[in-house]
Amino acid sequence: EPEVTQTPSHQVTQMGQEVILRCVPISNHLYFYWYRQILGQKVEFLVSFYNNEISEKSEIFDDQFSVERPDGSNFTLKIRSTKLEDSAMYFCATTFSTDTQYFGPGTRLTVL
Amino acid sequence: TQLLEQSPQFLSIQEGENLTVYCNSSSVFSSLQWYRQEPGEGPVLLVTVVTGGEVKKLKRLTFQFGDARKDSSLHITAAQPGDTGLYLCAGVMRGTSYGKLTFGQGTILTVHP
Repeated sequence: EPEVTQTPSHQVTQMGQEVILRCVPISNHLYFYWYRQILGQKVEFLVSFYNNEISEKSEIFDDQFSVERPDGSNFTLKIRSTKLEDSAMYFCATTFSTDTQYFGPGTRLTVL
Repeated sequence: TQLLEQSPQFLSIQEGENLTVYCNSSSVFSSLQWYRQEPGEGPVLLVTVVTGGEVKKLKRLTFQFGDARKDSSLHITAAQPGDTGLYLCAGVMRGTSYGKLTFGQGTILTVHP
């Protein structure tokens, strides 16, 4: 069964550094999302991406964040200058129709 | 403001018991999903409900979407230790164009042998 994959599984970085989190969506999916989950808190929406552009973003998704599909397959989330409060699990999700989203295993980001 | 209230937050039961988890909102959802999440992993989809009043069964799990599409429930019959985990409800609010999911807080279920 096709799966969403994410790399790396764990990323440790220093505050102020840039990180890029990568996702490989299920091949025929059209809508792509990033969510995050801070330890002990609920899953929060960051951004949705459709037709090669951002379709919706949350208040969390400020100028430090960006997304792109650089080669038509990978879907990336870049955090330009990480802060301590960016430490969280980041999940990529993809779907063919907006009813049902399939989540990747997540990247645990630790900012020191 | 909690858009999706999930209850209870914690549930500890004995093997063989039945349980129900609730997901409630004052908002209308065009669809609602239930996920199960293991520690350190991503949410795994259990079911999607889209029609008011819809009932779906997945072995011992029964999912219901409220008639007004503002609430949903997950009922587990004869719970087993393998059912232990975090259960999440998440919905796409009506009027949302691109499928943004709003999550509940989750229910941590522990089934004791």
